[in-house]
Amino acid sequence: SQQGEEDPQALSIQEGENATMNCSYKTSINNLQWYRQNSGRGLVHLILIRSNEREKHSGRLRVTLDTSKKSSSLLITASRAADTASYFCATSDNYGQNFVFGPGTRLSVLP
Amino acid sequence: KAGVTQTPRYLIKTRGQQVTLSCSPISGHRSVSWYQQTPGQGLQFLFEYFSETQRNKGNFPGRFSGRQFSNSRSEMNVSTLELGDSALYLCASSLARGAYEQYFGPGTRLTVT
Repeated sequence: SQQGEEDPQALSIQEGENATMNCSYKTSINNLQWYRQNSGRGLVHLILIRSNEREKHSGRLRVTLDTSKKSSSLLITASRAADTASYFCATSDNYGQNFVFGPGTRLSVLP
Repeated sequence: KAGVTQTPRYLIKTRGQQVTLSCSPISGHRSVSWYQQTPGQGLQFLFEYFSETQRNKGNFPGRFSGRQFSNSRSEMNVSTLELGDSALYLCASSLARGAYEQYFGPGTRLTVT
C-alpha cells in the first residue's frame, strides 16, 4: 500500500484564494517532499521538510509536518491560474530512501 | 545546469517487443531513480541506481531491468512488452542517496499496442 495519501483528491478554487492540501503517511519517515506535475509532464520539486522540522516556507508555499499525527499540509497562498497542476507528497524512510509517492491532489485554479 | 533529459520522449511498441529508455542526470548527480506513472496505479518506484549499482528495486517483474554507466547516465529496459506497460516513465536524479531532492526529467511516454 502507498505510504502517502493526499487529501482531497481534487480541489477547485478561484484565483487569489488559498489552497490547502493534506498528506498522511503510515510509517516513520526521514523527510517528506512535495512535488508539482503539470499535465502528465515531469515532476517539479517544491519543498522538502525533514522529520525534525515543523514548518517551512518557500515563496507562496507553506508546508507543515506533524510527525505525531503522521501528516503534512501544503498551503499555496494567493493562488494563480498557473498553479493548476497535480500535487504529490512523497516520503522516504528513516534512511532517506525508499521513496513513495501518494496518489496526488488535482488542483484547478479558475481565473 | 542542464536538467534531466530523457530519450525518446514518445514511443510506440507492439506487445512482445522490448524497449530501452535512456536518462541523462543533472551533471554531478550520482543517483538515478526510475518511476512508472499510470492513471490507475499512480507513481510507482521501479529502481534506484547509485555508483553503477542497483540499490533499491520496486515491486515489478523481472522484465523490467536497468543499469547505470560510469558517467551516471542510466538506461531501463522492458522486455516482452505487455499492454499494461503503457505508461509515462520518469527518471529522476539526485546529488546522492539519502534525503535529497529529486529532479525529474520530462518522461518517456510508452504506448504498447
